[in-house]
Amino acid sequence: DVVLTQTPPTLSATIGQSVSISCRSSQSLLHSNGNTYLHWLLQRPGQSPQLLIYLVSRLESGVPNRFSGSGSGTDFTLKISGVEAEDLGVYYCVQGTHAPLTFGSGTKLEIK
Amino acid sequence: EVQLVESGGGLVQPGRSLKLSCLASGFTFSNYGMNWIRQAPGKGLEWVASISSSSSYIYYADTVKGRFTISRDNAKNTLYLQMTSLRSEDTALYYCARHSWDYWGQGVMVTVSS
Repeated sequence: DVVLTQTPPTLSATIGQSVSISCRSSQSLLHSNGNTYLHWLLQRPGQSPQLLIYLVSRLESGVPNRFSGSGSGTDFTLKISGVEAEDLGVYYCVQGTHAPLTFGSGTKLEIK
Repeated sequence: EVQLVESGGGLVQPGRSLKLSCLASGFTFSNYGMNWIRQAPGKGLEWVASISSSSSYIYYADTVKGRFTISRDNAKNTLYLQMTSLRSEDTALYYCARHSWDYWGQGVMVTVSS
C-alpha cells in the first residue's frame, strides 16, 4: 500500500504567517492516464473533512486562494499564505492513484 | 444543495452486525462513485470501501474485507455499508463521501462494545 508521510505532525502559526505542509508518498502518484490523484483536506474541530485542493494544485470552489498546492511524483506541498483563525484544524493528504486509497496521518495546525 | 446524510449507527456487541445508510440529495447520485471512510476516536482518517457509480467496481480495505459489504441503490439515492462480525477496533465515526472528495456526510458513530 502507498504510505503518505505528512510533516510536520503539528504546526503552530500566528495570524498572517505563511506555512507549508509536506506530504511524501512511498510511490509515485503519477497515474498512467497522466493525472496525479493527490488531494488535500481540512478537518476543522468537530466537523467533517472538506476538500481544499484536488489533483495536486486545483483549488476547490469556494476555498480561499491563500491555499495552494504543488508538487509532483512523490513530493507534495500545501501552502497557506497568510494563516487566518478559521484555518485551524487537521490537514490530510489523500491519494487515489493506487488502490487502496490512503490518507496521510494528518498535520494539526494550531493558532498561536 | 448537495447533502449526504448517514444513519444506522449505534452501540453493538462484538460479533454482531450493523447496516449503515447514506442518503444522497442535490446531485445525480447514479453518476458518482462513493466512499466510506472512518475515524476512530482521536485518530486520523481511514478509507473503508469504495463503489463505482454502477456498482461494477467495489474495493475494500484489508481491515474490513470479508466482513463489510458496500452497496448502493441508485433508485433510492442511497449508499449502504453492511458490517458483520464487528470488533472493538471497528469503533469509529463513519463518513460517506463522494469519490471526488468534495462532499462528505456529517458522520455516524458506531461503537462496538460488550
